[in-house]
Amino acid sequence: SQQGEEDPQALSIQEGENATMNCSYKTSINNLQWYRQNSGRGLVHLILIRSNEREKHSGRLRVTLDTSKKSSSLLITASRAADTASYFCATDAGADSNYQLIWGAGTKLIIKP
Amino acid sequence: DTAVSQTPKYLVTQMGNDKSIKCEQNLGHDTMYWYKQDSKKFLKIMFSYNNKELIINETVPNRFSPKSPDKAHLNLHINSLELGDSAVYFCASSHLRQGGTNEKLFFGSGTQLSVL
Repeated sequence: SQQGEEDPQALSIQEGENATMNCSYKTSINNLQWYRQNSGRGLVHLILIRSNEREKHSGRLRVTLDTSKKSSSLLITASRAADTASYFCATDAGADSNYQLIWGAGTKLIIKP
Repeated sequence: DTAVSQTPKYLVTQMGNDKSIKCEQNLGHDTMYWYKQDSKKFLKIMFSYNNKELIINETVPNRFSPKSPDKAHLNLHINSLELGDSAVYFCASSHLRQGGTNEKLFFGSGTQLSVL
């Protein structure tokens, strides 16, 4: 199956700075989702953005979706040490992906205190 | 209360053994999943199952079999374990909307399987 791609693979920034991660995908989608995974833990859902939406906010998180470019970005503002984690995007392509989410390889984010 | 719980958290076993990982969700979801995460953190869907249909990733060896005694449980049984099966296995659940759109997934905390 096709995979989403995230960049960068790893990102290290100072606490208080903004962190931006990108996700590209290959097929038309119903929605795109972002998840966080802390070390040794399961994934936690952050935001779901539907194909007819362009931007969505949740606290310090801002997600954009550009269906013409088949890409999305996740912005974390005013980063904190607790934001250190891996971040994954997942796309729902419906029947095109046999109703399975297609996952990116993740961006490892490190926030330096 | 934990929404999706899986046991054990760690599983160390010898090659050739048969083992099971249990998963339970108390969210009332209709769909459950098993994922494998390799050492590079890449997530691979193994199975998805609701009370109507089992969808198997065709690349998963038939040594792996999901077993669902009821809607809230989806256990993973693995026969004849191999070294390459070492990974972290995640159970997840979601509500599959009409038309097949995936809503957000809730994940268990993972089972780290080490095959020696």
